[in-house]
Formats: sequence, structure tokens, C-alpha cells
Amino acid sequence: DAGITQSPRHKVTETGTPVTLRCHQTENHRYMYWYRQDPGHGLRLIHYSYGVKDTDKGEVSDGYSVSRSKTEDFLLTLESATSSQTSVYFCATISGSGSYEQYFGPGTRLTVT
Amino acid sequence: DQQVKQNSPSLSVQEGRISILNCDYTNSMFDYFLWYKKYPAEGPTFLISISSIKDKNEDGRFTVFLNKSAKHLSLHIVPSQPGDSAVYFCAADSNYQLIWGAGTKLIIKP
Repeated sequence: DAGITQSPRHKVTETGTPVTLRCHQTENHRYMYWYRQDPGHGLRLIHYSYGVKDTDKGEVSDGYSVSRSKTEDFLLTLESATSSQTSVYFCATISGSGSYEQYFGPGTRLTVT
Repeated sequence: DQQVKQNSPSLSVQEGRISILNCDYTNSMFDYFLWYKKYPAEGPTFLISISSIKDKNEDGRFTVFLNKSAKHLSLHIVPSQPGDSAVYFCAADSNYQLIWGAGTKLIIKP
């Protein structure tokens, strides 16, 4: 357990509105990740961070931006939400020490109407 | 193109028997593989992993086998228990990024 929390846990928003999801970790892990999970697709990487202010795009980054101003917080922003961004969003961190196992938060269910 | 594939969307197994979940990959540069378990409304939880320098790793009821020549790995659960009913994902590490399969839903029948 990497002490990961996500907020909000559920959100319903309208098309065209901005949305920010927050991931908070208490273990001082260097790497943090944002994924989305959709039926039939497994988990797909949106963006990741390898340190404060160091971020990079993942497989499905279009329409999303991220920021990491503190080690413990990684924010995912949908600048103008679309219905195709309705999904469950998971944050993860790596435990460190050369380990590859990622540990996940409980998820945020986002519905864009 | 999917680099990690789980071709069985679902699998049903009798309680007490062996569950075998399969995963294929295409990139021979992958050197670390992981299995995750996911219950509804929860995040995935790490189950077991294997390095490409090994062909087997065991942890209690869970064993992962890796066949590099076939680019295939499998997860064996023996004996299967009702609490094992979940979606199982395999993933491959690529420079601290995980590439995921689509998952297999395991149903353990009483």
C-alpha cells in the first residue's frame, strides 16, 4: 500500500467544462502515473511524472494535461471535457528501489454528459 | 497494435481446481512482467511478477510461468478459491511504464 488517495471519487460534469482530478501520495515516491480504464482496453497510460515538474505523455494524452508542483500531488486536468472522456481514472506510483511494481489508488469515476 | 494480449475475456473454474490465465506479448525487449488483480470499484492490486531471466516464480497459491521463446506467460492459481473471482491483468514493463493487457475475468464456481 503506497498511501494513495484520489479525489473526487465520483464526478458528473457537462461537456465543455474543465475538470481536475487529484492524486495524493504519502510515500515520497518519485514516479506517478495517470491511467484510464475502459471496457475491453485494460489500463491505458495518459501521462506520467518522474519528478517534480517532470512529466511526459503516455499512450492517450490528447485532451489531458498534468501538473506536479509537489512530490506528493499529481493533478490531471481535462481542459474541456468530452463524452469520450467518460471513464474510470486511476493514479499509481512506483514503490521505488529499482522495483517495477506500481501501486494504485481507488480510482475516480468520471461521467461527462 | 496491442503489445500485450489476453485473448480470453473470461474464464470459469470450479472451486478447488486450478485456474490458468494466459498472456502473450510481442515485444522481445520486455524484461519484466507483472500480474494484477482487480475487484469492482477498486484499484488494481499487485499479485506477482517475473523477470525475463527466470522462467518461474511462485508465491503461495500463485505461480507465474514465462516462456520467452513463445513470448507467453501464464498465471496458475491452485487451489482456486471464491475470493479469487476478479479481473486479472498482465502487464509488461517498458522503462518504468507498464503496457497492459485487456484483462481476463475469472469466475470461481462453488
